[in-house]
Amino acid sequence: LAKTTQPISMDSYEGQEVNITCSHNNIATNDYITWYQQFPSQGPRFIIQGYKTKVTNEVASLFIPADRKSSTLSLPRVSLSDTAVYYCLVGSGNTGGFKTIFGAGTRLFVKA
Amino acid sequence: GAGVSQSPSNKVTEKGKDVELRCDPISGHTALYWYRQSLGQGLEFLIYFQGNSAPDKSGLPSDRFSAERTGGSVSTLTIQRTQQEDSAVYLCASRRDQPGGEQYFGPGTRLTVT
Repeated sequence: LAKTTQPISMDSYEGQEVNITCSHNNIATNDYITWYQQFPSQGPRFIIQGYKTKVTNEVASLFIPADRKSSTLSLPRVSLSDTAVYYCLVGSGNTGGFKTIFGAGTRLFVKA
Repeated sequence: GAGVSQSPSNKVTEKGKDVELRCDPISGHTALYWYRQSLGQGLEFLIYFQGNSAPDKSGLPSDRFSAERTGGSVSTLTIQRTQQEDSAVYLCASRRDQPGGEQYFGPGTRLTVT
């Protein structure tokens, strides 16, 4: 299983763009990169997933360089409600499923 | 459609008692996970079920923990002879059997062992 490394915490202000980088040096060929968001007293929820290059949805963008050894979650124009813990997850997701190891995540604090 | 549900939402038990936590996954999701999350910590993988395959139990912290999944749907996590260190939020997640399929989490069961 690919181990992931993320910053423990980050601070930002409302309206700024936030970029959270995750390192996954031993990512396997068939691994996907998935990001989850968790608010207090709730289960994590899916934000975005990618395999290579760039993925964008209505919530965020995910940038993955060619070597795939890292990925960057980009949150445009954050608001106070984006204060949460963000987890980077790497796994194959092949048929048959995959055991998942969540790291400690990155605690994002958005200030007014 | 309905999401992942868990019951009870809160459980307070005395040390030494057994507890059962239930998870109802999303219909059609063949993969099911149990995690444990202590206060302020990340998610700790416990066990993973995939269809009719043997579950991956490698994350269970001791033999006091066990889980089963009946009929490929509902799952029960059982903790025997609970200890205070078992106090945590227990989260269940399910996903479709497809490459890259994301996990859908339930609201969790908060277990407090007194």
